[in-house]
Amino acid sequence: DQQVKQNSPSLSVQEGRISILNCDYTNSMFDYFLWYKKYPAEGPTFLISISSIKDKNEDGRFTVFLNKSAKHLSLHIVPSQPGDSAVYFCAARAYNTDKLIFGTGTRLQVFP
Amino acid sequence: DSGVTQTPKHLITATGQRVTLRCSPRSGDLSVYWYQQSLDQGLQFLIQYYNGEERAKGNILERFSAQQFPDLHSELNLSSLELGDSALYFCASSGGGSWRETQYFGPGTRLLVL
Repeated sequence: DQQVKQNSPSLSVQEGRISILNCDYTNSMFDYFLWYKKYPAEGPTFLISISSIKDKNEDGRFTVFLNKSAKHLSLHIVPSQPGDSAVYFCAARAYNTDKLIFGTGTRLQVFP
Repeated sequence: DSGVTQTPKHLITATGQRVTLRCSPRSGDLSVYWYQQSLDQGLQFLIQYYNGEERAKGNILERFSAQQFPDLHSELNLSSLELGDSALYFCASSGGGSWRETQYFGPGTRLLVL
């Protein structure tokens, strides 16, 4: 049972445009959400997070939106840069637990 | 560089064998987590240790075991290996003081079982 789903395995975006990566979850006990970025041959790197008490969190070019009623979150990257090309994992955590539940990832390619 | 180190980077072995993967957390971090990433899968949480004690368990097979030593490094032992155990194994660490702390990942160990 996949509790965190990233339905788009890949996304291709032109440099300078917006990249939107989506993530859906099923467990209503999740109340903290994270995005990790992963380059080949490296471990995932923390990018941005959001608590369920918020609906938006912004950090530079990266913004995460949370829609609790739809159990959906998205990561917006504006403007997209070639260095953003990587696999992006959505992850969720239930209250008072350290365990992260990851999605299967979306491979983002930003082309010139 | 996350500060989390994992050895070895690559491991090739045969079915039925046993291997040990090693992880050194970031300096000062008390929690260590192990994750498995199989082909086209997300990272699956295996187990967490906090200051030497098991704290949380995921879908870890009985053939797998882990421990965290007094110097806080951790080892993941995989035994009676099967072809399906071929995967990337990641270790992550966090301070452990709060469940909201960011987990920092090592570069992973790629295991290939032939």
